Formats: sequence, structure tokens, C-alpha cells
Amino acid sequence: EPEVTQTPSHQVTQMGQEVILRCVPISNHLYFYWYRQILGQKVEFLVSFYNNEISEKSEIFDDQFSVERPDGSNFTLKIRSTKLEDSAMYFCASTPDRVGSPLHFGNGTRLTVT
Amino acid sequence: DQQVKQNSPSLSVQEGRISILNCDYTNSMFDYFLWYKKYPAEGPTFLISISSIKDKNEDGRFTVFLNKSAKHLSLHIVPSQPGDSAVYFCAASGGKTSYDKVIFGPGTSLSVIP
Repeated sequence: EPEVTQTPSHQVTQMGQEVILRCVPISNHLYFYWYRQILGQKVEFLVSFYNNEISEKSEIFDDQFSVERPDGSNFTLKIRSTKLEDSAMYFCASTPDRVGSPLHFGNGTRLTVT
Repeated sequence: DQQVKQNSPSLSVQEGRISILNCDYTNSMFDYFLWYKKYPAEGPTFLISISSIKDKNEDGRFTVFLNKSAKHLSLHIVPSQPGDSAVYFCAASGGKTSYDKVIFGPGTSLSVIP
């Protein structure tokens, strides 16, 4: 079965550094998402992306965050200047269509900001 | 923002018995509900969904019930198996929240005891 793949599985970075989290969504999917889960807390929506633009974003997704689909397969989340509170599991997800389709998640990238 | 609530953080059930996981929501505009299962070090995996036009959806051992008037849904697993031990997330989308933003509950950790 096709999978959403995320790299790296674990990223350690120093506060203030830029990080890029990478995702390869399922190939025929058109809608892409980033979610995060801070340890012990719930899974939170960050951003959705369709047709090469952001379709919705949460209040968490401030100017420090950006997303890009640089080619036909990759979908990236960039955090420009990481903060300690950005430490979390970041999950990428994709769906083939918008209405009534469940999200297919990758296994996540654990981001640790020191 | 507690739009999706799962008031039981954990549940233990004997193998072979029924597991019932509950979920409440506050946004009456939600019209699509999903259950995800999550194992440690993996992303959430879609389990079953239900549209607001239905009150029951069944898939093998898993049944989801929706009570719109009470804004309550439940997931029944019968018979429960040790492999069902995981964290279960209730999620909702639709209406004013838009389909792009799936709201997750905090999760219930299910332990099925052999």
C-alpha cells in the first residue's frame, strides 16, 4: 500500500537555527497537510496545501513557518528560527480529495530544539 | 479550544470483550467524523469514519455510532484483541471549520489485556 514518507525521523537543532522537514506524499494525492503533536498533547493542525498554495493555516503557523512543494513529489515544512517550544512530532499527511477523505499520515519527524 | 473531547485518557479491556471509546464535540457544524489509531513511533492510521447523515457505520470488528443531538460518538471494538492496544483519536471536520482542518481529540489509550 502506498505510504507517506517523512525524513528525517529525528532532527536535533539549536534554538534559532532553521530546519526543513521533508515529506513525500502519496503520488496521486492532491491535498497536503502538516500537523504536530507536542509530547503528551493532542495532534494539532498547522497548515493545508493545495494547488501550490496554502488553503488554510492555524494560528500556530506564524511567519516563522513556511511550506513548499519544490517539485512533483516533495512537500516541505520550514521553520526559520526554531524555538524551544517548537519541539514536537511533526506529521505530514495527504488525501486524494478534499471532502470525506481520511488523512494518510507519515510516521513523523521528531524535532528536538535545544 | 476543546472542540473535540475524549474524556477518558485511558481504558483497559480484557481480550475478547468489547471496547467502547467515547468522544464528544461542541461544534454543531462538524459533519464528518473519523477515528484514528496510533502506535508509538508511528503516525496516526485511519480506522473508520462516519458522515453526519448516518448514525452507524460498521467495518469488521469496528463500529462507530453517532448521536448528533447529543454531539456524541463512540467507537466499539468487538472482540478486542491485544493488537488493538494503541492510542485512539477521535477527529472531526466540516462546516465552518472547513474540510481542510481536521480537529483531533486528545486521545484515549486502550490496553487490551490477554
